[in-house]
Amino acid sequence: GQQLNQSPQSMFIQEGEDVSMNCTSSSIFNTWLWYKQDPGEGPVLLIALYKAGELTSNGRLTAQFGITRKDSFLNISASIPSDVGIYFCAGGSYNTDKLIFGTGTRLQVFP
Amino acid sequence: DAGITQSPRHKVTETGTPVTLRCHQTENHRYMYWYRQDPGHGLRLIHYSYGVKDTDKGEVSDGYSVSRSKTEDFLLTLESATSSQTSVYFCAIRGDRGLTDTQYFGPGTRLTVL
Repeated sequence: GQQLNQSPQSMFIQEGEDVSMNCTSSSIFNTWLWYKQDPGEGPVLLIALYKAGELTSNGRLTAQFGITRKDSFLNISASIPSDVGIYFCAGGSYNTDKLIFGTGTRLQVFP
Repeated sequence: DAGITQSPRHKVTETGTPVTLRCHQTENHRYMYWYRQDPGHGLRLIHYSYGVKDTDKGEVSDGYSVSRSKTEDFLLTLESATSSQTSVYFCAIRGDRGLTDTQYFGPGTRLTVL
């Protein structure tokens, strides 16, 4: 099935550093979503984007809906140990009831 | 908290036995989804429901069936479990903001088929 290309696959950073990850698709989407998953838990919605060019923040997290509607970016500023987890992007379209998920970015933060 | 519970949270079963997983929501949402999550594959849609008794297949539906007799409950059944169905299963509900809506996930069920 279709999946979004998410990069990087994994990141090992030091506490306090900023983080950037992105998601790209060959198809356009009307919605971009970013989720975080902690070990043993379900994905939790971080940010939802509904309009091309939209830039939305949630605390230290900022996400953008790409102008082409084929990509999205998530930035985390001043990382802390609790940012550890797997981050997933997902794209949605008006003509389907389904989301397409990225393969995930695994983030490790070292003190 | 999206008001989603899954049961059981963990299950170990043997090949060939039937298994039913339950997803329960308290939010009265129309759409509900079942995914499986495996290393290297991310989240893959098994089946989804767009109303009571209305369901459709996802990309990995073989070997699975679903039922939705009440708005709040969405059941996933493995008629005869196989080792390839060892996975973590997540239920999700869809929010109600327009045509393309966000999905909110339950805590998951870890299923092991021996």
